[in-house]
Amino acid sequence: KQEVTQIPAALSVPEGENLVLNCSFTDSAIYNLQWFRQDPGKGLTSLLLIQSSQREQTSGRLNASLDKSSGRSTLYIAASQPGDSATYLCAVADNFNKFYFGSGTKLNVKP
Amino acid sequence: DVKVTQSSRYLVKRTGEKVFLECVQDMDHENMFWYRQDPGLGLRLIYFSYDVKMKEKGDIPEGYSVSREKKERFSLILESASTNQTSMYLCASSLYLQGNQPQHFGDGTRLSIL
Repeated sequence: KQEVTQIPAALSVPEGENLVLNCSFTDSAIYNLQWFRQDPGKGLTSLLLIQSSQREQTSGRLNASLDKSSGRSTLYIAASQPGDSATYLCAVADNFNKFYFGSGTKLNVKP
Repeated sequence: DVKVTQSSRYLVKRTGEKVFLECVQDMDHENMFWYRQDPGLGLRLIYFSYDVKMKEKGDIPEGYSVSREKKERFSLILESASTNQTSMYLCASSLYLQGNQPQHFGDGTRLSIL
């Protein structure tokens, strides 16, 4: 069964820092990988989706990479801001469109 | 923008009650999903549906059922609520099964079973 792990579980950084969130998965037979943001008490907001044939996707200050063979993805956030404070989750989809989620990284960006 | 609406943000019910959680999406998406989210366990898939009247079990379907009579609406039913079903429930939808389309989530229903 697919298992998704996110490290670290929590991260606190000063405003302006560039940072990297990590996601690893045990089964490389994925269809795509998606990064989400979740604010406290809210649902998930989709940030980036990387198809299995792609290596990276970019949106604004966010860049996500995918190394399927090693079972890893990273989310790079440039010039972090206090408004980036949230929990970030990654999820991988198998060929039957079942999604498997990590437990998330809780990010705190200090002003 | 895709809008996924869950009928209640907070709900308190008693053990043994039959509980209905409703989810509506406004973008004609084929796929709809129900998850529960618990601290330390992450999101776990309860049921999903890829068409009207179709449903598939997820990883933790026990104690739950679903109904999809119309494309835009996906209901989660707790047949006889128990305290271990206290959780945050999240509904999601996506355009179609194999299209590399992102999942869009509602704001969640925080359900407490007393």
